[in-house]
Amino acid sequence: AQKVTQAQTEISVVEKEDVTLDCVYETRDTTYYLFWYKQPPSGELVFLIRRNSFDEQNEISGRYSWNFQKSTSSFNFTITASQVVDSAVYFCALRLSGYSTLTFGKGTMLLVSP
Amino acid sequence: DVKVTQSSRYLVKRTGEKVFLECVQDMDHENMFWYRQDPGLGLRLIYFSYDVKMKEKGDIPEGYSVSREKKERFSLILESASTNQTSMYLCASADTARVGQYFGPGTRLTVT
Repeated sequence: AQKVTQAQTEISVVEKEDVTLDCVYETRDTTYYLFWYKQPPSGELVFLIRRNSFDEQNEISGRYSWNFQKSTSSFNFTITASQVVDSAVYFCALRLSGYSTLTFGKGTMLLVSP
Repeated sequence: DVKVTQSSRYLVKRTGEKVFLECVQDMDHENMFWYRQDPGLGLRLIYFSYDVKMKEKGDIPEGYSVSREKKERFSLILESASTNQTSMYLCASADTARVGQYFGPGTRLTVT
């Protein structure tokens, strides 16, 4: 069975600091997809990124970047120069090819203070 | 943009009541999902549906049932609400051809 672990329950930083959220996954499948979602205080999960298992290229989108390493089964998320608006719960998730369901980690709450 | 709506943002019900949570999506997605979210436990899948009138149990289906009579609507039913069903309920939908799930705003249910 697959599993997603987000070992960091809560992280607190001061604005403008860089912060990395860790995600480690377990699966025996060779084809799968990894996701990050953001859940702001309003409650709605917002899709951030999808990565498939054959694409290990790192991705950068503005202040956000993702580091996918199959060798360590990790898909870490870095926010550069954090802002108060980044305060949210962030979820990492895994989907196996051929299935529609997602397996979520337990989430990391990020608190960015001014 | 994909829109997933849920009938209520906040709901308070009494123990033993029958509760209906409604979810509607406007993108003709085949797949729809119901999750509950609890502190420290993350999101757990209750039920999902891959087509009209089709349903599959997720990780925690006990105490819940679902109904999908139309493609755009997926209902979660608590036959006899209990206090341990107090939680945030999130609905999602996904197109089989695409990979991500789109989430609604959630319903915070309190059972007293």
